[in-house]
Amino acid sequence: DAGVTQSPTHLIKTRGQQVTLRCSPKSGHDTVSWYQQALGQGPQFIFQYYEEEERQRGNFPDRFSGHQFPNYSSELNVNALLLGDSALYLCASSLDRGWETQYFGPGTRLLVL
Amino acid sequence: DQQVKQNSPSLSVQEGRISILNCDYTNSMFDYFLWYKKYPAEGPTFLISISSIKDKNEDGRFTVFLNKSAKHLSLHIVPSQPGDSAVYFCAASGNQFYFGTGTSLTVIP
Repeated sequence: DAGVTQSPTHLIKTRGQQVTLRCSPKSGHDTVSWYQQALGQGPQFIFQYYEEEERQRGNFPDRFSGHQFPNYSSELNVNALLLGDSALYLCASSLDRGWETQYFGPGTRLLVL
Repeated sequence: DQQVKQNSPSLSVQEGRISILNCDYTNSMFDYFLWYKKYPAEGPTFLISISSIKDKNEDGRFTVFLNKSAKHLSLHIVPSQPGDSAVYFCAASGNQFYFGTGTSLTVIP
């Protein structure tokens, strides 16, 4: 049983560019949450998708947007990249919007130059 | 605004001894608390959790204690093993999910 997978593993972009990160949830999970983990910090909640809709959102600007597909996979899009967007982006999947049963992927390391 | 705090960035413990990791929170509306373990190049993995209606939960070598009046929780690992060396995050759930900043545990053989 494949767990949560994310692609790509690493990415380098320049300021002002746009980036799309992808996540496939664990089999049987219908909810995907995205987190940003800056160096030396804990993961910060960006948003959660359930039934193809954004259900919860953390304190992130509108430059951060997402999508969930009918097969429950998800994308995180970040527009107008800033140097401060450099971080590890984690995807977590769960069942029925449960926080307690989240399984995390290995993350995508984004570097903005 | 850090709602979940881990004030010790690192901890070193001798193998076989007890490891105690601490976490403080500010929001009394949190209803569930969790501990995650993270190895380099991997995502966090769930370790143990506790509901706000309990004050202790035990799973093998791992015990989590919750003190609601002090808004404090702790993770005890007994006995500590070298394989426990990792970064430990506490987290709390309410209307969304909040992580602490992590404590890097090193268990010395």
